[in-house]
Amino acid sequence: GESVGLHLPTLSVQEGDNSIINCAYSNSASDYFIWYKQESGKGPQFIIDIRSNMDKRQGQRVTVLLNKTVKHLSLQIAATQPGDSAVYFCAENAGSSNTGKLIFGQGTTLQVKP
Amino acid sequence: DVKVTQSSRYLVKRTGEKVFLECVQDMDHENMFWYRQDPGLGLRLIYFSYDVKMKEKGDIPEGYSVSREKKERFSLILESASTNQTSMYLCASSSTGPTNEKLFFGSGTQLSVL
Repeated sequence: GESVGLHLPTLSVQEGDNSIINCAYSNSASDYFIWYKQESGKGPQFIIDIRSNMDKRQGQRVTVLLNKTVKHLSLQIAATQPGDSAVYFCAENAGSSNTGKLIFGQGTTLQVKP
Repeated sequence: DVKVTQSSRYLVKRTGEKVFLECVQDMDHENMFWYRQDPGLGLRLIYFSYDVKMKEKGDIPEGYSVSREKKERFSLILESASTNQTSMYLCASSSTGPTNEKLFFGSGTQLSVL
């Protein structure tokens, strides 16, 4: 069945280092991908998104890379800060571009060590 | 900024009770969604709505119903709460058009059914 998964449930990095959070997806029809950050006690917050006609997109300290050949998505966070500690979710639209529906992965917990 | 407000942060209910979870968004979004979030399972779609008085089943609609009488308000109803409905419930909204997959989430309601 369709699934969106993250490779590691927990990632621990040193403050100041770069973080890479990975995500695999299985639906070839997916043409939109999005990353959310969820801090404890809060709802998911939008970080960055990318459409399938792009391989890379950059935001403020974050970069999303899309490899459609191997159905892989990654989120890179530069100079990780304690405020980056959160659960990160990737999601795909599974080709449902006219519905607004997303399929979410299980999430990776990012722990930033001071 | 879009604001999605969920009426309760925490709720404790008894088995068999009828439970109403309320969600209001202030950005005139056409699309609204209800997800539940459980450890190890990520976010799963319960119901969604594209317009007033319209509703569509998501992936796990059993035991739930919804109501959308006004554009800004989307209610999730547990007709007879059961312990397996203990979960974090997240409401989200999005606009139509090219950004309809970019969901904006509320802070969530942690429901405990005893």
